[in-house]
Amino acid sequence: AQSVTQPDIHITVSEGASLELRCNYSYGATPYLFWYVQSPGQGLQLLLKYFSGDTLVQGIKGFEAEFKRSQSSFNLRKPSVHWSDAAEYFCAVGANNNDMRFGAGTRLTVKP
Amino acid sequence: DAGVIQSPRHEVTEMGQEVTLRCKPISGHNSLFWYRQTMMRGLELLIYFNNNVPIDDSGMPEDRFSAKMPNASFSTLKIQPSEPRDSAVYFCASRYREATEAFFGQGTRLTVV
Repeated sequence: AQSVTQPDIHITVSEGASLELRCNYSYGATPYLFWYVQSPGQGLQLLLKYFSGDTLVQGIKGFEAEFKRSQSSFNLRKPSVHWSDAAEYFCAVGANNNDMRFGAGTRLTVKP
Repeated sequence: DAGVIQSPRHEVTEMGQEVTLRCKPISGHNSLFWYRQTMMRGLELLIYFNNNVPIDDSGMPEDRFSAKMPNASFSTLKIQPSEPRDSAVYFCASRYREATEAFFGQGTRLTVV
C-alpha cells in the first residue's frame, strides 16, 4: 500500500514569512496527491490536489505545491503566512485501488 | 449539497457499552472512508467502501469494531464493547470516484470513560 511521510511534526513561522511543509510519498505508480488543512475542532478541508499535468498546482488561500517525481515529494508552500493559517496540515496520497492514506500531519504555529 | 453528515458530534459513554457512529455521504459519491484521529497515531484509515462494498478493513483495530454500508446514503461504525482507548475523533469521508478528492464530515468526538 502507499504511504506518506511528513517529517516535520511542528513548525513555527513568523507572520509574513514564507512557508514550506514537506511531504514524501511511497507508491509504485503515479499517485494522486492532496494537501488538506484542519482547524481546531473541524474536519479536513482540501487545499489543493495533483492528478496529472503541470507539476506546480495552485490551491486555495494562496497555497501551492510542487510534485517532484524524482524526489517522491509534494511540498506545500506559501510566500507569506497569515495568522489565520495556523492549523494542522495533512498530505495524502491516493492510489488506483481507491485507497487514500494520510501523513501524520504538521502543526503550524504563526508568531505575530 | 449539505456535505458529509456525521452524527452524533459528541458521544460520551461508559466502558463496555455499545457505540454506533453514523455517516451520510454526499449524494452520488461512490466511495466512503472511516478514519480515526488521535494525538498518538494521527489519522488512521479504518475501512473504506466502494459502491457500498467493503474493500479494505485491515485498519480496523480489532473485532470489537464493525462497519456497514447498507445503501449508498448511509454507513455506520459500531464499537462493541467500547474501551477507554477507543476515545478519539472519528471522521467519515466520501468521494465521487477514484482520482477525486475526499470530502470530510465534521467528525464525532468519542469519549469512553
